Amino acid sequence: QQPVQSPQAVILREGEDAVINCSSSKALYSVHWYRQKHGEAPVFLMILLKGGEQKGHEKISASFNEKKQQSSLYLTASQLSYSGTYFCGTAYNQGGKLIFGQGTELSVKP
Amino acid sequence: KAGVTQTPRYLIKTRGQQVTLSCSPISGHRSVSWYQQTPGQGLQFLFEYFSETQRNKGNFPGRFSGRQFSNSRSEMNVSTLELGDSALYLCASSAGDRRWTEEYFGPGTRLTVT
Repeated sequence: QQPVQSPQAVILREGEDAVINCSSSKALYSVHWYRQKHGEAPVFLMILLKGGEQKGHEKISASFNEKKQQSSLYLTASQLSYSGTYFCGTAYNQGGKLIFGQGTELSVKP
Repeated sequence: KAGVTQTPRYLIKTRGQQVTLSCSPISGHRSVSWYQQTPGQGLQFLFEYFSETQRNKGNFPGRFSGRQFSNSRSEMNVSTLELGDSALYLCASSAGDRRWTEEYFGPGTRLTVT
């Protein structure tokens, strides 16, 4: 089952903050976040495991609420370079296949 | 380290033909996954190979197949192409650690079926 991302799209001014959510109806083992710019490949941002471990880029912040089966990606003090489509991918078990959400399009304006 | 490479980058085929796409993972990575990306369906998982064995499989018809070689390079094949197979096909490699499966994507192969 595909995770649900919200919002579907968001427009920010430089310096503003945003939160992107990813929700699953099934218990998750891990949540993965990627950013894809137009015409480019998705780029790995962060992975969060149930139990609290996480790994990713230093400037990226995210959380994983196991009770709600929801992950949130926090983008603070946004820059123009943050623009792109953000995808969350979810796995239900260790080593399981990734199922991606439909994406959240983020646009940062000067 | 060189990134994931995919060939060809663009391909135009006719309905009914077959196509083979190639992926070379990051050196040292043993897992290769394939995804189909379309505007309507988003990113959809096709299959994953690890050490020449298919480890995971998505919900695609049998016309879609893949394999992995001993050097971890991977190919995917689509037989009897349909118009709906037009998409960006992305390959991603990872170290293969089943616990941490951060994937690194290649630039993709843009397949157009006419």
